[in-house]
Amino acid sequence: SQTIHQWPATLVQPVGSPLSLECTVEGTSNPNLYWYRQAAGRGLQLLFYSVGIGQISSEVPQNLSASRPQDRQFILSSKKLLLSDSGFYLCAWSTGTGADQPQHFGDGTRLSIL
Amino acid sequence: AQSVAQPEDQVNVAEGNPLTVKCTYSVSGNPYLFWYVQYPNRGLQFLLKYITGDNLVKGSYGFEAEFNKSQTSFHLKKPSALVSDSALYFCAVRGSGSARQLTFGSGTQLTVLP
Repeated sequence: SQTIHQWPATLVQPVGSPLSLECTVEGTSNPNLYWYRQAAGRGLQLLFYSVGIGQISSEVPQNLSASRPQDRQFILSSKKLLLSDSGFYLCAWSTGTGADQPQHFGDGTRLSIL
Repeated sequence: AQSVAQPEDQVNVAEGNPLTVKCTYSVSGNPYLFWYVQYPNRGLQFLLKYITGDNLVKGSYGFEAEFNKSQTSFHLKKPSALVSDSALYFCAVRGSGSARQLTFGSGTQLTVLP
C-alpha cells in the first residue's frame, strides 16, 4: 500500500532563517506531488505541484520554493523565512493525470516563525 | 474558474442523530467531487468521491454524499452521528478539464454532542 511521510512534524524557526521540509511517498511510481499551506486550521492554499522529477509549478508567488530531486521526494524550501510563513504545511500525492483521482495527504508540518 | 462553497463554518448535532454537511460547487465541464476529513494536527483523509453514475455515493466510516446536478450540490451525510465524527470536513472539486488542481472549500467544523 502507498504511504506518505512528512518531517519534521513541528518546527520553530527564527525570522530570516532557512527552511527545508521534506516529503516522501512509498508504494507508487511517478506520483503527482503537491505542497499546501493551511492557515488557522481552515482553508488550504496550493503552493506548488509537480508531475515529474524536476517539474515544478508554482501557484502563488512568495519566498518559498519547491524541488523534486527524486521521483517520490518533494522538498519545500526557503532561503529566508518571514513571519507570514507560519502555518501548517501539507504534502499530498495522487496517481496519474486523471481528474478523478483523489489526493492523499501526509500528517503535515506545523511551522512557527518567531 | 472552479469554486466550492461550504456555507456553514460550524455544525452541531447530537450523537445518534443524522448529520448533513453542505457543499455547493461551480466548475466547467463535468465535476469530480471529493470529501475529506481532518482531525486536529493531522492531514486530510479522503472519505469519498463522485465521478459519475449513482447520485448517492458511499464512503468510509458510514459516510455518504448526495450529488445533485441541478442544485450543483454535494452534501455529506451520515444516518447516525458518533462523537468520534467530530472533526473538520472539506469539500473539494475538480473540473473534467483540469487534471491537477483541486479546489477546496473553507471547511466545516462538525461537533457531535454526547
